[in-house]
Formats: sequence, structure tokens, C-alpha cells
Amino acid sequence: ILNVEQSPQSLHVQEGDSTNFTCSFPSSNFYALHWYRWETAKSPEALFVMTLNGDEKKKGRISATLNTKEGYSYLYIKGSQPEDSATYLCALGGGSNYKLTFGKGTLLTVNP
Amino acid sequence: DGGITQSPKYLFRKEGQNVTLSCEQNLNHDAMYWYRQDPGQGLRLIYYSQIVNDFQKGDIAEGYSVSREKKESFPLTVTSAQKNPTAFYLCASGSVWETSDEQYFGPGTRLTVT
Repeated sequence: ILNVEQSPQSLHVQEGDSTNFTCSFPSSNFYALHWYRWETAKSPEALFVMTLNGDEKKKGRISATLNTKEGYSYLYIKGSQPEDSATYLCALGGGSNYKLTFGKGTLLTVNP
Repeated sequence: DGGITQSPKYLFRKEGQNVTLSCEQNLNHDAMYWYRQDPGQGLRLIYYSQIVNDFQKGDIAEGYSVSREKKESFPLTVTSAQKNPTAFYLCASGSVWETSDEQYFGPGTRLTVT
């Protein structure tokens, strides 16, 4: 079983703060790294899928970077808003069997 | 609308009874997945299927069974052999064409066994 670690486990920030979280994974046999946002009472939704070392992806105020050689990805949120409050999951894509191995997530709470 | 449906949203069962959770998708995806979530844990893969009439065990398959008779449907049975069945269950589907393809999730079923 692959080990995907996310930190911090939880985070409280004030509206307008920028924040970031980390996803660490084994750097060998890398295929893809996924980020999902999971809001309370909703289904997890895909944010980004990254496959190449050095990849940077952006969606509005949220962006992500990938370093496959050292085995980490950062998710950044600029100017956090209360609607950004959610659990952010990262998952490692597993080659030909299309399995995802998830981390435990980072729970973000943005206070107004 | 395209999507994944899971029913029911909440399910209550007595210990010792088998229970089947429904998952249906109309996204024309070949692959379907079942995950379990427990407090403080990440999503853990129970079973997955990449094609009709075929499925593989995930990381925590003991006490569960599945079938994949139709592309659209991937029901999960929680048997009495599952020692800790109370959990939140998520179904997902995805393409098998690219390993970078995202998975699409249903709304989940919360199962409580007493």
C-alpha cells in the first residue's frame, strides 16, 4: 500500500489570508497526482490532476505545484474565503490499474 | 444530467444482516470504485472494476462483495463478516483511457449497524 501523507491535518485561517498545504508521496513509479475538494454534505470534486514534474495548475484563487523527484505537491489558496472551507484530498494515481491512493486530507476552515 | 447516484443516503441495519448499497452512473465510464471513509482516515479502496463482469479487490475487501453485471451499476454488499461495517461509503467512476483521468464521486451512503 502506497503511503500518501498530507499536512497539516487541519487549518483555521481568517478570511483574506493565503494558505497552503502539502501532499507527500513516494517518488518512485510516479503516474499522476490528484487534488480533490470535499465540502460538507457534497461529493468530492476534482481540482487538479498533474502528471509532469514541475507542473503548475491554477483554477481561480487555487493553484498547485508538483515535484515528482522529491515526492511532494503543494496546494495554495490565495485570499481565502469562507466558501473555501472544505477537506482537501490528494491522491496518487496508480499506473495501469487506475487505482487512487488517498491521503487523509487537510480540513480547512475559513473564518469570516 | 450526467452523474453518479447512490442510494439510500442513510441506511440502518442490525448486526448479522447483509446489506447492499446501490451505485449507478450514466457517465459511460468503464471503471467504477467503492471507497470507505472512517473518522481520521483517508478514503480506502474496497473494490474496483475496470470492465463489466470483472472486478478486483482493493485494500480492504474483506467482508465485502460486489458485482458488475452492467456498465452502469456496481452494487456493494456489506456482509455479516465485515467486523466494523459502520462507515461512510463512497462510489466513484472514471475512464480507463488515461491514468491521469479524474474520478467522479457519488453523494455517499452512511451505513450504521447496531
